[in-house]
Amino acid sequence: AQSVTQLDSHVSVSEGTPVLLRCNYSSSYSPSLFWYVQHPNKGLQLLLKYTSAATLVKGINGFEAEFKKSETSFHLTKPSAHMSDAAEYFCVVRGPYSGGYNKLIFGAGTRLAVHP
Amino acid sequence: DTAVSQTPKYLVTQMGNDKSIKCEQNLGHDTMYWYKQDSKKFLKIMFSYNNKELIINETVPNRFSPKSPDKAHLNLHINSLELGDSAVYFCASSQASGDSYNEQFFGPGTRLTVL
Repeated sequence: AQSVTQLDSHVSVSEGTPVLLRCNYSSSYSPSLFWYVQHPNKGLQLLLKYTSAATLVKGINGFEAEFKKSETSFHLTKPSAHMSDAAEYFCVVRGPYSGGYNKLIFGAGTRLAVHP
Repeated sequence: DTAVSQTPKYLVTQMGNDKSIKCEQNLGHDTMYWYKQDSKKFLKIMFSYNNKELIINETVPNRFSPKSPDKAHLNLHINSLELGDSAVYFCASSQASGDSYNEQFFGPGTRLTVL
């Protein structure tokens, strides 16, 4: 079965410093992985996705993630945090294809706080 | 120009009441979803409709009944509300495309509080 584990429930960084949000996955086959962001009182927005092409995936707002099969990881990084990056981040794995539906399985989320 | 909209944004009600949440998407997608996000931010799929047909029904009490009058709308009716139903409910939509992944676009959420 597919699952994701976000290793940190809260991450706090200073503005201008690097961001690292950690995610490990479990999958019985080659996974499709995503990062979504949820700003306060807003819906979820797709940051980036990995679907078995390049292992280093670039997303919006300067974020990127690297798929490492040997480590079963898909960590999200950004070189320099901005105040507007403060939000909840979800690592997501696509579940088995069934009936025309792509089931998404969400991690528990990591709250990123950015301090001046 | 909102892609996926939900009404109401906030809903406060008493235990035992019946309430509905509405969702509309103007993206031309054929698949819509309801997710529940609990107080710990954990998100889980509840239902999915494709072209007005129910294709996914997770383990959800039968007090929850989705209805899709057309492929642009997916409403969620909840009977006999309980305290544990308090959560944020998100609607999403996507275009089905075989086994390929197409991004799901999420609405802003409806925060339901049951007193």
